[in-house]
Amino acid sequence: KAGVTQTPRYLIKTRGQQVTLSCSPISGHRSVSWYQQTPGQGLQFLFEYFSETQRNKGNFPGRFSGRQFSNSRSEMNVSTLELGDSALYLCASSFGEGKNIQYFGAGTRLSVL
Amino acid sequence: GQSLEQPSEVTAVEGAIVQINCTYQTSGFYGLSWYQQHDGGAPTFLSYNALDGLEETGRFSSFLSRSDSYGYLLLQELQMKDSASYFCAVDRGSTLGRLYFGRGTQLTVWP
Repeated sequence: KAGVTQTPRYLIKTRGQQVTLSCSPISGHRSVSWYQQTPGQGLQFLFEYFSETQRNKGNFPGRFSGRQFSNSRSEMNVSTLELGDSALYLCASSFGEGKNIQYFGAGTRLSVL
Repeated sequence: GQSLEQPSEVTAVEGAIVQINCTYQTSGFYGLSWYQQHDGGAPTFLSYNALDGLEETGRFSSFLSRSDSYGYLLLQELQMKDSASYFCAVDRGSTLGRLYFGRGTQLTVWP
């Protein structure tokens, strides 16, 4: 069974640009969650999508957005990049019901110059 | 608000036993889970406690006391490969939102 796949693995952008990250969940999983991880800050929740609908949202500005497609694949977009957006962005998938056990992808490391 | 407290660092030697504590304060609680993350790697699921008591999985055990809003991860017979960050996370249920993660405990195992 294939795991969670995130693309690209590494990305370098400059301030003001926008970026789109992609996540393919484990087959059969309907929930996809996105997290931002920076040193010392743990995993900061961005948002969760379940059956193409945003079900939960963290405390991030509107520059961070996402969507989920009918095949459960998800994308995350960050517009008008800032230096502080440099981080590891992790995607996790789960069944979305019952015990919330999440399976993470390897992440996309975004560097904003 | 929500809060999870766990130690930032723990060190131990190979073969020892270490306990990583987690206290939480959240509105809504379905369960407490633990994740392991090696440097440069993805977090991986270790355990999930929905009810009070101890859950054992090989060298790792996890405990939960709902009345005390407290849990811990116990790692026995430590090995060098156990050096990693360990995160506790509260499951608040799908209607209240996602997993709420602590800041993680960096475990270093010395030979």
